[in-house]
Amino acid sequence: DADVTQTPRNRITKTGKRIMLECSQTKGHDRMYWYRQDPGLGLQLIYYSFDVKDINKGEISDGYSVSRQAQAKFSLSLESAIPNQTALYFCATSDVGAGYTFGSGTRLTVV
Amino acid sequence: GNSVTQMEGPVTLSEEAFLTINCTYTATGYPSLFWYVQYPGEGLQLLLKATKADDKGSNKGFEATYRKETTSFHLEKGSVQVSDSAVYFCALSDRMNYGGSQGNLIFGKGTKLSVKP
Repeated sequence: DADVTQTPRNRITKTGKRIMLECSQTKGHDRMYWYRQDPGLGLQLIYYSFDVKDINKGEISDGYSVSRQAQAKFSLSLESAIPNQTALYFCATSDVGAGYTFGSGTRLTVV
Repeated sequence: GNSVTQMEGPVTLSEEAFLTINCTYTATGYPSLFWYVQYPGEGLQLLLKATKADDKGSNKGFEATYRKETTSFHLEKGSVQVSDSAVYFCALSDRMNYGGSQGNLIFGKGTKLSVKP
C-alpha cells in the first residue's frame, strides 16, 4: 500500500456541488498538507496541519475547507465547486527532519 | 517574501546530453533547498536536497549545489536518459533550518524535461 493514499483519483463534478477529497497516510507523520497544481503555476499550498488540533490556511485557501479527523487523515472540501477549481490536488505529509511524501493526486474537473 | 524561480520549459534533449535546470531563490534566514521530480501521472518524489551553504545533494546521477552567494541551486546531470523525462520542481523550506526542523515548502513553477532517444 502507498504511504499516502488519496481518493478519489479522478472526479468530475458540477458547479455548485459539494465535494470532499480524502487523504490518509501510514507514515506516522504529524504534518499534513493540501496543494493544488495548475499547469505552469507549480504547486500552491491550500491548507496545512501540524497536528490534529492545528489547522492553518495556506496561500490559496478561499473556497476550500479542511478537516483533520485523526493523525492519519486529512480531508479537503469544496463547499460549492466552481470551474476555476479544476486542477490536480495533492496531499502530502512530513515530520521534523523528514522530507515530504506526496500522494498520487486527485484530478478534479468542475463542469 | 520567499520565492523560487526556475527556468521555463519545456526542455527537450537527446539521450546522453548534459542537463542543467536553473533555480534561484529569495529567502530570509537559512532555507533548505530541494529538487522534486514528477513522472507522468504520479505525485512528486524527492530527488535530492541540501540543507546548508555549499552542500551538494545528489541522487540517480543528478546533482545540485547550494550556492548562497548566488542564491542558486541548479540541477545538473551529465548524461540524461529517456526515463528522466518528467517535470522537475525546485523548492525551499520557508523557515530557518534549526535542528533539522522544516517549515512549509515553496515551489517553483516546474520545468518539463523531454528526452528523445
